[in-house]
Amino acid sequence: DVKVTQSSRYLVKRTGEKVFLECVQDMDHENMFWYRQDPGLGLRLIYFSYDVKMKEKGDIPEGYSVSREKKERFSLILESASTNQTSMYLCASSSPGLSNTEAFFGQGTRLTVV
Amino acid sequence: DQQVKQNSPSLSVQEGRISILNCDYTNSMFDYFLWYKKYPAEGPTFLISISSIKDKNEDGRFTVFLNKSAKHLSLHIVPSQPGDSAVYFCAAGESNFGNEKLTFGTGTRLTIIP
Repeated sequence: DVKVTQSSRYLVKRTGEKVFLECVQDMDHENMFWYRQDPGLGLRLIYFSYDVKMKEKGDIPEGYSVSREKKERFSLILESASTNQTSMYLCASSSPGLSNTEAFFGQGTRLTVV
Repeated sequence: DQQVKQNSPSLSVQEGRISILNCDYTNSMFDYFLWYKKYPAEGPTFLISISSIKDKNEDGRFTVFLNKSAKHLSLHIVPSQPGDSAVYFCAAGESNFGNEKLTFGTGTRLTIIP
């Protein structure tokens, strides 16, 4: 069964902390994505990666960075957490070629920055 | 700039009736469209997709219609069931290799009334 696993369901962090959100997929997918979901704004793409060590900015990359050292793992890093980064974070993976397959999502990490 | 729009934040439908969720897009480069369903505290799950070479795709109770000239797509659910109550996101992408990121709409919360 296809699986995308995010390391935490809920996180509470303090303003200014460095935060790591981890995502692992077991489908050997080349593509991995980080989105955040906010009320009234839908899912917005933060960063994505087409291959190991490759990354591209999405629509809202400011305040975030990513790391993909292994194919199955894609990490989202909040360099200095701020309250406006309180959100639901969703990781996804897919194979190349949109028309061949859809993106599979993890269960989400609800991050609260206080 | 919202390239994918779902103008109805919420929709209530009687059980057994048809639910129609709408989505508009502005980017003419989009040629692949998907619908995702999301329950609270879970990641989105893929529902149905359509490529721009078709104008209709059906899967059981779910049918997606695409009107390219109007840049509009809709999801029909018939008959609606209580388990269909969820937030529905439409998503769009370009199916050329190397650019499989999806752009999501803001979501429509569907409530099925028993």
